[in-house]
Amino acid sequence: QVQLVQSGAEVKKPGASVKVSCKTSGYTFTDYYIHWVRQAPGQGLEWMGWINPKSGGTNSAQNFQGRVTMTRDTSISTAYMELSRLRSDDTALYYCARDRGLVLVYGTLGYWGQGTLLTVSS
Amino acid sequence: QSALTQPASVSGSLGQSITISCTGTTSDIGNYDYVSWYQQHPGKAPKLMIYDVSDRPSGVSNRFSGSKSANTASLTISGLQAEDEADYYCSSYTRRDTLPLFGGGTKVTVL
Repeated sequence: QVQLVQSGAEVKKPGASVKVSCKTSGYTFTDYYIHWVRQAPGQGLEWMGWINPKSGGTNSAQNFQGRVTMTRDTSISTAYMELSRLRSDDTALYYCARDRGLVLVYGTLGYWGQGTLLTVSS
Repeated sequence: QSALTQPASVSGSLGQSITISCTGTTSDIGNYDYVSWYQQHPGKAPKLMIYDVSDRPSGVSNRFSGSKSANTASLTISGLQAEDEADYYCSSYTRRDTLPLFGGGTKVTVL
């Protein structure tokens, strides 16, 4: 069965960086876009960006451009999201999720990781 | 790009039907049939309930249905049950190589 398993909770200081992993199994990793979505406490879902695991191509939301780096390691079917220059308002639950394929960035997220809680505090 | 517009809350009694709207523009909902709906219970990851405007993934109850008219998509929950109480988010494809959009979310309360 398809599974996305994310790394554990993180506590970081303002200005630091964090790297979250998303280990996938149960399907061919390079056949589906992986998206990163975050949710601040009590708030809605916010799209951060996506990575094409086959090509490594990425696209990120304007809000995060320059601060977010999405990468992947195809040998271990794992996607990564690194966020730098952390601020207190980056405190949120970060999810990875799988799209329906690679033809288009449909944004049809049928499988989600369990979420990684990031707390940014001095 | 702006988020899609959803009502903040919708409520209904057990057994009733409710409809949640999701309004976009001709750049997203109005021009593409790639609208999805997600259900999120507190402390849980979102769950895909509807995709491509009106299709249900395997295992999703047929009490959930989706539709679209012009720039507005809708999610209808019929025969409302206690477990339907959750937050619901819509999303839409926009255009190639850009990010899809989310709605702001709607809290559904079952009275």
